[in-house]
Amino acid sequence: DAGVTQSPTHLIKTRGQHVTLRCSPISGHKSVSWYQQVLGQGPQFIFQYYEKEERGRGNFPDRFSARQFPNYSSELNVNALLLGDSALYLCASSLRAPRDRVYNEQFFGPGTRLTVL
Amino acid sequence: TQLLEQSPQFLSIQEGENLTVYCNSSSVFSSLQWYRQEPGEGPVLLVTVVTGGEVKKLKRLTFQFGDARKDSSLHITAAQPGDTGLYLCAGFAAGNTGKLIFGQGTTLQVKP
Repeated sequence: DAGVTQSPTHLIKTRGQHVTLRCSPISGHKSVSWYQQVLGQGPQFIFQYYEKEERGRGNFPDRFSARQFPNYSSELNVNALLLGDSALYLCASSLRAPRDRVYNEQFFGPGTRLTVL
Repeated sequence: TQLLEQSPQFLSIQEGENLTVYCNSSSVFSSLQWYRQEPGEGPVLLVTVVTGGEVKKLKRLTFQFGDARKDSSLHITAAQPGDTGLYLCAGFAAGNTGKLIFGQGTTLQVKP
């Protein structure tokens, strides 16, 4: 079975542009989370979606938005790109709905490397 | 705010040496996970520890969860060049198992 897939693999943009990143979860998984990983740091949570509804949002500006489609794939959009948005953007899928005290393993894709010049 | 602090941030050792990576928090976590990430790839789950005081072994890797569920450690015995990578500890935010909180990571380099 295919794991989490993300596209594109690499992307180069200039300041002020916008970008759309795509993620396809593991078949049967209904939850998708997005993370930003700056070089040398741990991933930081951006969004989580379950059954097309936003279930969590991290401490990121409104330039960041996301959505989930009926087939459970997801897009992350970033507007008005800044140099500081350069990072590896990771998508993770999980089987269950996010609930307190219920372990819910997340499976990560390979990420999209975004470079903003 | 729940935070996870990892130490050391960087470790460069010779093949055959032992090492320990620490993951600490002032908050209680219902579980902690350890991931390994290689360049250009996403994190891959190594283990999940759930019970306070729990010890899990994965070949030469030993993972321990603190009694109070606020800290964890990863010990590697006789490190090999193939162990090189970024090691991340993570735990779910209280009330939301869709949000993983990660430590800043430990970059391990094992020289042959």
